[in-house]
Amino acid sequence: AQSVTQLDSHVSVSEGTPVLLRCNYSSSYSPSLFWYVQHPNKGLQLLLKYTSAATLVKGINGFEAEFKKSETSFHLTKPSAHMSDAAEYFCVVSDNNFNKFYFGSGTKLNVKP
Amino acid sequence: EAQVTQNPRYLITVTGKKLTVTCSQNMNHEYMSWYRQDPGLGLRQIYYSMNVEVTDKGDVPEGYKVSRKEKRNFPLILESPSPNQTSLYFCASSPTWGLSYEQYFGPGTRLTVT
Repeated sequence: AQSVTQLDSHVSVSEGTPVLLRCNYSSSYSPSLFWYVQHPNKGLQLLLKYTSAATLVKGINGFEAEFKKSETSFHLTKPSAHMSDAAEYFCVVSDNNFNKFYFGSGTKLNVKP
Repeated sequence: EAQVTQNPRYLITVTGKKLTVTCSQNMNHEYMSWYRQDPGLGLRQIYYSMNVEVTDKGDVPEGYKVSRKEKRNFPLILESPSPNQTSLYFCASSPTWGLSYEQYFGPGTRLTVT
């Protein structure tokens, strides 16, 4: 069975400092992994996805994530946080048919001025 | 504008009163899905549809029904709502199934069952 664990429910950083949001997954096959962002009172938007090509994936707004099979991790990073990055972030794994999707519990990112 | 729309956006109802939340997409997408979002639990998949007349259960289908009679519409039906179905509901669509396409999410429907 597939599952996702987001290791931090809240992360707080200062503007201009690096962001690290941690995600570990469990999958019985080679997974496809996604990061989505949800701004307050909005729907979700795709940041980036991993589908067994390059292990370092670049997404929108300067975010990137690295797939590490040995550590079953897919952590999201950004070199320099911006106030507009304050939102909730979800790590997602799909089943091998890309029909069912399993979301982590979410990490709320707070960016301090 | 390409979008997924949901109606209503907010709904307060009473236990046992049947309701339908509509979802419509204008992107000719084959795949559509419903999720519920609860604090601390992230999003959980209720049902999904790979095309017209093809639907299947997600992780939490109990108490919900869906239908897909037209490609653009995927309504969520609660025949006898209960307070534990109070949640924020999202509809999503993607071009097709079987590939890792992005899902496009609607704005959400906040449902309260008293």
